[in-house]
Amino acid sequence: QLQLQESGPGLVKPSETLSLTCTVSGGSISSSSYYWGWIRQPPGKGLEWIGSIYYSGSTYYNPSLKSRVTISVDTSKNQFSLKLSSVTAADTAVYYCARQDEGGATSDWGQGTLVTVSS
Amino acid sequence: NFMLTQPHSVSESPGKTVTISCTRSSGSIASNYVQWYQQRPGSAPTTVIYEDNQRPSGVPDRFSGSIDSSSNSASLTISGLKTEDEADYYCQSYDSSNQGFGGGTQLTVL
Repeated sequence: QLQLQESGPGLVKPSETLSLTCTVSGGSISSSSYYWGWIRQPPGKGLEWIGSIYYSGSTYYNPSLKSRVTISVDTSKNQFSLKLSSVTAADTAVYYCARQDEGGATSDWGQGTLVTVSS
Repeated sequence: NFMLTQPHSVSESPGKTVTISCTRSSGSIASNYVQWYQQRPGSAPTTVIYEDNQRPSGVPDRFSGSIDSSSNSASLTISGLKTEDEADYYCQSYDSSNQGFGGGTQLTVL
């Protein structure tokens, strides 16, 4: 059974860079059938797609976040990562990592990790 | 870019049927698959419908999905409502290399 687990700091200061890693177990991140994505949810609000990566390194980002987002993959560790720069309080959210197909259909989710942006 | 618009909330009684709509702002709803996710408080979302009308194993057949090209919308229908169906529901679709979620619909079963 595929499992995804987010890890990283739960508190980030304004203007700094948010960094999260997703560790995949029970399956290979190098599977040719899937993409690996990040989705976030501000407290009490809806879901927002941040971006996705293919194991080869091809990336797709939400246009509204593209200038601040970098997603990378480390196939040797079966992990993929998110970096979001110049964060503000508006970036406070539960961040989920997920396995998706090419159309974004999300079949597996991590449990989510709350990241708070505050000084 | 496109947007997906859902009603903020719906409510219905146990045993009844409810339909949640998801209207696409631009581009054809039929051109890209629509997924539906259920999210209970404090939990990650789970898929109830994928590829417009397919149910993952384990999802009861009370859940069904459809699309309507005339209104450029997708719908999630839940029949025989149970109190356990009370949750937030999100539609999701894509366009080229961009994905989007609807704003979510809070379903109350009372």
